[in-house]
Amino acid sequence: AQSVTQLGSHVSVSEGALVLLRCNYSSSVPPYLFWYVQYPNQGLQLLLKYTSAATLVKGINGFEAEFKKSETSFHLTKPSAHMSDAAEYFCAVPNNAGNMLTFGGGTRLMVKP
Amino acid sequence: KAGVTQTPRYLIKTRGQQVTLSCSPISGHRSVSWYQQTPGQGLQFLFEYFSETQRNKGNFPGRFSGRQFSNSRSEMNVSTLELGDSALYLCASSLSRIREGYTFGSGTRLTVV
Repeated sequence: AQSVTQLGSHVSVSEGALVLLRCNYSSSVPPYLFWYVQYPNQGLQLLLKYTSAATLVKGINGFEAEFKKSETSFHLTKPSAHMSDAAEYFCAVPNNAGNMLTFGGGTRLMVKP
Repeated sequence: KAGVTQTPRYLIKTRGQQVTLSCSPISGHRSVSWYQQTPGQGLQFLFEYFSETQRNKGNFPGRFSGRQFSNSRSEMNVSTLELGDSALYLCASSLSRIREGYTFGSGTRLTVV
């Protein structure tokens, strides 16, 4: 079964600094990969998705992610962190039937002024 | 267009009681999925419905059940509540398969006392 691993349950950056959140998928290449963001007391919002059409995917709020098959990774980045980026971020992969997602453990991003 | 609507937002129940949560998907979305989110276990898949049929079920006891109506609205029921059922229950909808990604509701926060 497909799975994803997020390294680092907590990441702290200064405002204006680069954001890098890590996600690695299990060995077989998935057809899709997703990044979601969750703000306090809210549901999950789709940030971006990989669909094999392009390895560099741009999402909302200035985030992007690069699919690297050689590293089995799909890390999320943003050049300059804003205070409003403080949230929890989840990487997710679908099962083969495409009717469920398996989520990583999540990474809580803290942004220091 | 309206998003995914979950009701109620908050619930407090006593151990041993049962509870029903409701989810109205985005208009036109025929797939509805349910996830449980807890600090210890993260996001775990409960079940997925498509056109009133359960297509997939996660590893939860039989106390957790769900259904979908002809208008795609869905309900999930938990009987004989346990303290460990305290969680944020998230509903997500999509057109059919996950390739488009889910749209999540804001969740129902269930507290069992």
